[in-house]
Amino acid sequence: AQSVTQLDSQVPVFEEAPVELRCNYSSSVSVYLFWYVQYPNQGLQLLLKYLSGSTLVKGINGFEAEFNKSQTSFHLRKPSVHISDTAEYFCAVSDDYKLSFGAGTTVTVRA
Amino acid sequence: NAGVTQTPKFRILKIGQSMTLQCTQDMNHNYMYWYRQDPGMGLKLIYYSVGAGITDKGEVPNGYNVSRSTTEDFPLRLELAAPSQTSVYFCASSYGTGGYEQYFGPGTRLTVT
Repeated sequence: AQSVTQLDSQVPVFEEAPVELRCNYSSSVSVYLFWYVQYPNQGLQLLLKYLSGSTLVKGINGFEAEFNKSQTSFHLRKPSVHISDTAEYFCAVSDDYKLSFGAGTTVTVRA
Repeated sequence: NAGVTQTPKFRILKIGQSMTLQCTQDMNHNYMYWYRQDPGMGLKLIYYSVGAGITDKGEVPNGYNVSRSTTEDFPLRLELAAPSQTSVYFCASSYGTGGYEQYFGPGTRLTVT
């Protein structure tokens, strides 16, 4: 069985400051890892994913994530956030058919 | 491409009523999914389909039914609505499984009173 834990439910941050969203997963098999973003009143869209290879993955809108197998983590970072990054962020893990989501982290960017 | 579309956007049901949430994708994806999203709980898989005529249960299937007669459509049926089914429902589709991205619709916000 696989599961995802997002360690922060809410992250307030000032505009142009860096942000890190923490994600830990558990799985008995090799996994694929994803970060999705949900802007207010919208569906989810993919930010980035890790399949294999380089442990540093770059995504859209300046986000990046680092896969750490020994710590079973996949933390998401952005060096400088904008007001438009205010959204809910979901970490997810997939092994076969099933995509399991974390509970989500709400990022609120303030001027 | 419209991607994944869902109707209706909002709906209020009375306890015991039934309804069908519609989902259509125009990307010729074989795999389709229904999730529900509750505050602080992330998304939970209700049902999924690996192709026309083939469906299977996810984590939280009780109170729901699905069918998949075409590649494009994957409706979700709620029979005898209960307050516990108040949620936001998302349909998604993907080309494959594992490392393939799932594409999400805009969601249906359902309230059962």
